[in-house]
Amino acid sequence: NAGVTQTPKFQVLKTGQSMTLQCAQDMNHEYMSWYRQDPGMGLRLIHYSVGAGITDQGEVPNGYNVSRSTTEDFPLRLLSAAPSQTSVYFCASKNGQGRSSYNSPLHFGNGTRLTVT
Amino acid sequence: AQTVTQSQPEMSVQEAETVTLSCTYDTSENNYYLFWYKQPPSRQMILVIRQEAYKQQNATENRFSVNFQKAAKSFSLKISDSQLGDTAMYFCACPTSGNLIFGKGTKLSVKP
Repeated sequence: NAGVTQTPKFQVLKTGQSMTLQCAQDMNHEYMSWYRQDPGMGLRLIHYSVGAGITDQGEVPNGYNVSRSTTEDFPLRLLSAAPSQTSVYFCASKNGQGRSSYNSPLHFGNGTRLTVT
Repeated sequence: AQTVTQSQPEMSVQEAETVTLSCTYDTSENNYYLFWYKQPPSRQMILVIRQEAYKQQNATENRFSVNFQKAAKSFSLKISDSQLGDTAMYFCACPTSGNLIFGKGTKLSVKP
């Protein structure tokens, strides 16, 4: 199993450009999520999904869109990149959903470092 | 609101010594698990240990153990016999409504 695969590893965008960060998992996990990591801020939840066709907002959703058309894939879209979106982005998945997943640890991808100039 | 607080932004320890990283949390959940993750310079997020809140016995994984004080909502991580490879950011995490909330992290440096 490859686990959680994120692409690209690095990306530089100009302000106003759009792009999609890809995330795929091969563990048949129902739950998938996106976090951003900024210095001194820890990991903050952007969006999450408890199954195909279901998405919801996390703590910092503004400026980002997600969709979940399949169990395996959970892309994150930046509609119009801003310098404030410069960050490291992590995709993560786990088995189960809601309270039935509380004992399940998150499995993380290796992250995408995004710079917006 | 659920919160996770790591009060030590940075710590250092000599190789082979013991260090404890602190974490306090606030949750309205009744049955939950708490997690510690390690992030070495490679940026990879690695699960270190997890603790079920209903278990009184503290979890242990080799050199890593927790001191879980449920009433105080405290979940500290003890690293024994510290090794150079333990140098990393450490994050504790607490669940809320099926998601994990992370603390801001503690940067641990192990010195030779």
